Amino acid sequence: DIVMTQSPDSLAVSLGERATINCKSSQSVLYNSNNKKNLAWYQQKPGQPPKLLIYWASTRESGVPDRFSGSGSGTDFTLTISSLQAEDVAVYYCQQYYSSPPTFGGGTKVEIK
Amino acid sequence: QVQLQESGPGLVKPSQTLSLTCTVSGGSIGGGGYYWTWIRQHPGKGLEWIGFISYSGTTYYNPSLKSRLTISRDTSKNQFSLKLTSVTAADTAVYYCAGGSITMVRGVMVPSWFDPWGQGTLVTVSS
Repeated sequence: DIVMTQSPDSLAVSLGERATINCKSSQSVLYNSNNKKNLAWYQQKPGQPPKLLIYWASTRESGVPDRFSGSGSGTDFTLTISSLQAEDVAVYYCQQYYSSPPTFGGGTKVEIK
Repeated sequence: QVQLQESGPGLVKPSQTLSLTCTVSGGSIGGGGYYWTWIRQHPGKGLEWIGFISYSGTTYYNPSLKSRLTISRDTSKNQFSLKLTSVTAADTAVYYCAGGSITMVRGVMVPSWFDPWGQGTLVTVSS
């Protein structure tokens, strides 16, 4: 199985500041035939299910604010919140869908400083 | 707008069978192209994909659970279900049902992202 490793485990950011979450896969999740990166990001608030934010590493799901952006190469990916809002306090997970079974990172908790 | 809701016992004894049902509203499980998925989250930990049943009834399981797992559906009730046998404390988790998609990588089907999700139900395995 592909192992997804997120860093940091948690971070505290001031309101309006940038938050950056990293995700590393144990092997490339770039499918060369279509040049797509098979990676998704989710947001999970306390007591709620995960919510899909981004797929194909950088495509925002409909309705997701544009302060959320995703980027990365074959093995190293980043979720950026450009200007942290109070409602962004949550745990964020990356997930690969390059090979089965799909696997998730361990999560990064984002808090307000 | 598709919505999902899990139901089932919150407490299961070790060695018994865990059974959960997901009721889908706002769409038919026999149409629409969704892959009806189960995912679990161990307390305070990450997420684990369990498996899916497709809109056409095809099933696909996580190899780590395959020997104990059955996912089925009842199209007349617009529900799909999970049965996990011989449970242990390691199966204690919040179980989510979700709608999923698939992608093809080098001719192999791979479950892709998951959306929407049910609210989840906590199942505790304990005597």
